[in-house]
Amino acid sequence: DGGITQSPKYLFRKEGQNVTLSCEQNLNHDAMYWYRQDPGQGLRLIYYSQIVNDFQKGDIAEGYSVSREKKESFPLTVTSAQKNPTAFYLCASSASGHLYEKLFFGSGTQLSVL
Amino acid sequence: RKEVEQDPGPFNVPEGATVAFNCTYSNSASQSFFWYRQDCRKEPKLLMSVYSSGNEDGRFTAQLNRASQYISLLIRDSKLSDSATYLCVVKGSKETSYDKVIFGPGTSLSVIP
Repeated sequence: DGGITQSPKYLFRKEGQNVTLSCEQNLNHDAMYWYRQDPGQGLRLIYYSQIVNDFQKGDIAEGYSVSREKKESFPLTVTSAQKNPTAFYLCASSASGHLYEKLFFGSGTQLSVL
Repeated sequence: RKEVEQDPGPFNVPEGATVAFNCTYSNSASQSFFWYRQDCRKEPKLLMSVYSSGNEDGRFTAQLNRASQYISLLIRDSKLSDSATYLCVVKGSKETSYDKVIFGPGTSLSVIP
């Protein structure tokens, strides 16, 4: 079945540690996204990528980094520079360049600080 | 000003009521618009796209006013299962990026028996 997979479902980070969240899709989508959601709030865009080896900052990119070496993979690293990383992280993908193409979401990763 | 703003909510309505959600966006060049629904701690799911002429899907009606940069969602005959957070979504423009997708903060709806 085609879809988008995020792992792990739950992740714990120690102070000063970098952690990486995985996102893989087999939908052959060009565009991929990372969003952060805090309790009771909407989704805020961290980074997005329209094509392999290219990505753009969203509204809250500070303290995060991404790579897009393969079309199907878009991992997110939460660095030690991100001082308040506890949140629900959602990865999404869509066909690029289509105005009304919907987003397909993974099931999310809950990141907490120990 | 935030790129996408919505009614703060929460909305608590009885079953069978009609409820309207409002959304405004700041970038006049935005290309496409959507309403997504999100249940607690789940991924958002597409409810409907919003077309210039307005569109309807069963009990749900979406309207777009490009001149006022305003989007609305109307739910008629509310069901208990409509309880969720409704997210207004705006997709990029030629100036920024066709693929940049911005979510509003969401409006929570609780339908009460």
